[in-house]
Amino acid sequence: DSGVTQTPKHLITATGQRVTLRCSPRSGDLSVYWYQQSLDQGLQFLIQYYNGEERAKGNILERFSAQQFPDLHSELNLSSLELGDSALYFCASSPHRGWNEQFFGPGTRLTVL
Amino acid sequence: AQKITQTQPGMFVQEKEAVTLDCTYDTSDQSYGLFWYKQPSSGEMIFLIYQGSYDEQNATEGRYSLNFQKARKSANLVISASQLGDSAMYFCAMREDTGANSKLTFGKGITLSVRP
Repeated sequence: DSGVTQTPKHLITATGQRVTLRCSPRSGDLSVYWYQQSLDQGLQFLIQYYNGEERAKGNILERFSAQQFPDLHSELNLSSLELGDSALYFCASSPHRGWNEQFFGPGTRLTVL
Repeated sequence: AQKITQTQPGMFVQEKEAVTLDCTYDTSDQSYGLFWYKQPSSGEMIFLIYQGSYDEQNATEGRYSLNFQKARKSANLVISASQLGDSAMYFCAMREDTGANSKLTFGKGITLSVRP
């Protein structure tokens, strides 16, 4: 158990809908990273937050947004969902802003029908 | 050209032996980072090791070491004393910083099977 929690574990929704994925980092970790793993695109880095501020941006679509709250939990919002958004979404946390140590949550499996 | 190349389709190793998983990368940046991740069949993702482009020493984490050869643009993962629990998919990745964005590119992965 990495200490990173993600909810929900599974999510099934329809095209055009909006969903929110939640991530609670390990206690004390200031950085949160979001990743997407799909059959089509493989693994992709989406975005990183450090202590509430956006730190690094990867291949995140405009339909997606994220934020990190004062209690350091993070939410990834996916809107106008398409079939291709079906994927496993991972959150990882790190005690610092760097990249040399990341602890992953179990992931949220999103299925868009 | 692909940014990260993992060409080994599947690797087999005998328990307790060492194995090297290959990764080559392509970048024109001077500052970048290289990563290895492990994904067992259960689907969880595990961060294994990180190497910065300016790090002079090869990164090591327990039984994992990263054989960083900058001139050859390779970042091979070496697993010593393989264990049955090492059977998994292994992904190599590279981070390039481009202004405000960090581009992290993953390879397609290598499947490692450890034989008892």
